[in-house]
Amino acid sequence: AQKITQTQPGMFVQEKEAVTLDCTYDTSDPSYGLFWYKQPSSGEMIFLIYQGSYDQQNATEGRYSLNFQKARKSANLVISASQLGDSAMYFCAMRDWFSGGYQKVTFGTGTKLQVIP
Amino acid sequence: NAGVTQTPKFQVLKTGQSMTLQCAQDMNHNSMYWYRQDPGMGLRLIYYSASEGTTDKGEVPNGYNVSRLNKREFSLRLESAAPSQTSVYFCASREIVDGEQYFGPGTRLTVT
Repeated sequence: AQKITQTQPGMFVQEKEAVTLDCTYDTSDPSYGLFWYKQPSSGEMIFLIYQGSYDQQNATEGRYSLNFQKARKSANLVISASQLGDSAMYFCAMRDWFSGGYQKVTFGTGTKLQVIP
Repeated sequence: NAGVTQTPKFQVLKTGQSMTLQCAQDMNHNSMYWYRQDPGMGLRLIYYSASEGTTDKGEVPNGYNVSRLNKREFSLRLESAAPSQTSVYFCASREIVDGEQYFGPGTRLTVT
């Protein structure tokens, strides 16, 4: 079963508008963490934002916020005031536990965001 | 601080050849990871090292071996390369439970 699902392979947004990238997850662990990474065309992976499963408030980092709905198992990324430099692939990821007791991080398949001038 | 470094950046192999991808981090992190990234597949975990001296298989370990040489270095070896191993390989490291992973710049490997 998919542990991280990103249902939007590609999205367009007008510059200066807000955009929401969807992410749903599946885990039976009570303690887990959710991450979003950005991968521009140059290829590097850039950490954007983190949400812990016990965090009471939604995480925010500048123009990025994570809309965490625990009961729905969703962790959508909201980018406000889009900029041309936001054009990139965006990956949702989840940290939970290997059966052997170690942690692992599982990535979704990504959403390609294109910002239109 | 260089962060996470990977060598080489690009490599072309013939089927059956072997090679080792090198990864080093200078952040004193305990955990290190190897991922492969294929179009439409996201990143998939190949192997993982929770700490120096330990390694564990991820989702797609077949055809690979790893060595955690010391706390800084974690190498990935392809003993007999196959075209299915054509991919971009990322090394990453992390210190704490809820910490982000720091990624290297990636190695683009083509097996012909």
